[in-house]
Amino acid sequence: QKEVEQDPGPLSVPEGAIVSLNCTYSNSAFQYFMWYRQYSRKGPELLMYTYSSGNKEDGRFTAQVDKSSKYISLFIRDSQPSDSATYLCATSRSGTYKYIFGTGTRLKVLA
Amino acid sequence: DTGVSQDPRHKITKRGQNVTFRCDPISEHNRLYWYRQTLGQGPEFLTYFQNEAQLEKSRLLSDRFSAERPKGSFSTLEIQRTEQGDSAMYLCASSGLDGDYEQYFGPGTRLTVT
Repeated sequence: QKEVEQDPGPLSVPEGAIVSLNCTYSNSAFQYFMWYRQYSRKGPELLMYTYSSGNKEDGRFTAQVDKSSKYISLFIRDSQPSDSATYLCATSRSGTYKYIFGTGTRLKVLA
Repeated sequence: DTGVSQDPRHKITKRGQNVTFRCDPISEHNRLYWYRQTLGQGPEFLTYFQNEAQLEKSRLLSDRFSAERPKGSFSTLEIQRTEQGDSAMYLCASSGLDGDYEQYFGPGTRLTVT
């Protein structure tokens, strides 16, 4: 079993839709969670960083962590064609700066 | 602040050759990371430095791989006797002060071994 599981997609949505992207993880020691956006053949771009449980909002993006179910989510409101990319979740535990990444979910926002 | 930079952006080499990649982190960041990403997968951790000290290495980092950060600024990743399985995107990231877990990635170096 992988430490971080993420549906690879692709996920296709119409422009303006609310997108929900999700990951599950297996190690209850994980406390730090990040979401990255990666365009084809580019480096990952940090979108959201959260520590422990709860919600964090930044513009059209909301990150949610539920440690009790080991489930993390990224919501994108009013999705745009420019949001079409691969979204990667990543997590780490205290005491190490090594992040474990999911495989990424490919998102396509259709105009 | 120009972000993390990596050089070269693309490298094509023949099997058995040695290659070296360079990463320049964000100037005030003291931690630097190397990851490898293959098609359809997320980045996999290779190693990280705090200043010039290499603090953690993955089992993925075979003895053909070596990374250095001699003055705590830029870093190099060398692969000796390249194999076709080494073909991947090599990503560098950096982060700042202790307790700062946000990692910022560079554009990557795409390696193709023929």
